[in-house]
Amino acid sequence: DAGVIQSPRHEVTEMGQEVTLRCKPISGHDYLFWYRQTMMRGLELLIYFNNNVPIDDSGMPEDRFSAKMPNASFSTLKIQPSEPRDSAVYFCASSSRYSNEQFFGPGTRLTVL
Amino acid sequence: DQQVKQNSPSLSVQEGRISILNCDYTNSMFDYFLWYKKYPAEGPTFLISISSIKDKNEDGRFTVFLNKSAKHLSLHIVPSQPGDSAVYFCAASARTGTASKLTFGTGTRLQVTL
Repeated sequence: DAGVIQSPRHEVTEMGQEVTLRCKPISGHDYLFWYRQTMMRGLELLIYFNNNVPIDDSGMPEDRFSAKMPNASFSTLKIQPSEPRDSAVYFCASSSRYSNEQFFGPGTRLTVL
Repeated sequence: DQQVKQNSPSLSVQEGRISILNCDYTNSMFDYFLWYKKYPAEGPTFLISISSIKDKNEDGRFTVFLNKSAKHLSLHIVPSQPGDSAVYFCAASARTGTASKLTFGTGTRLQVTL
């Protein structure tokens, strides 16, 4: 298996622009998680899905953030409009329903100027 | 409020010596704990875990100890190697054995020197 795939790996955009991050989980995994990593707060869970249904979005910072999972092999995290404080590394992870272990993608480094 | 805390942002250890990374938690509902290792420009990778029914779990050079009464766990690496230089994250879950949200600490950067 190729593991969790994320794109793009790097994104530089200007304040006010829309940003879309993409994730392909490991085939057969039932759960998908979106995290944000910052120096101050470490790895923060933003939202997670079970069988394509959002279960907990309490970590989503504000209405500018939205996430979708239209099918079992694809998810997006969208920020509209983006702000400089959104600059961080965003990780996607997936897991089987039978395990606590999550497998992470390589991340997307977002810079908002 | 940080429910999982790693109070040491960094640690430097000589090659061959023991590395001890610490983690504290506040939520009594946590019953499963994991350590992840992260290299620059890569995602975190799972290292070792422990259930709350145990107080120790060992895998090669890596051992995790859990002290439930103190709400404290630690990761021991013996002997430390230069390839162990990375950021280590402690994580906790309230549902052993099934997928669930993990709460992560802020990480400890380990540097193993020659």
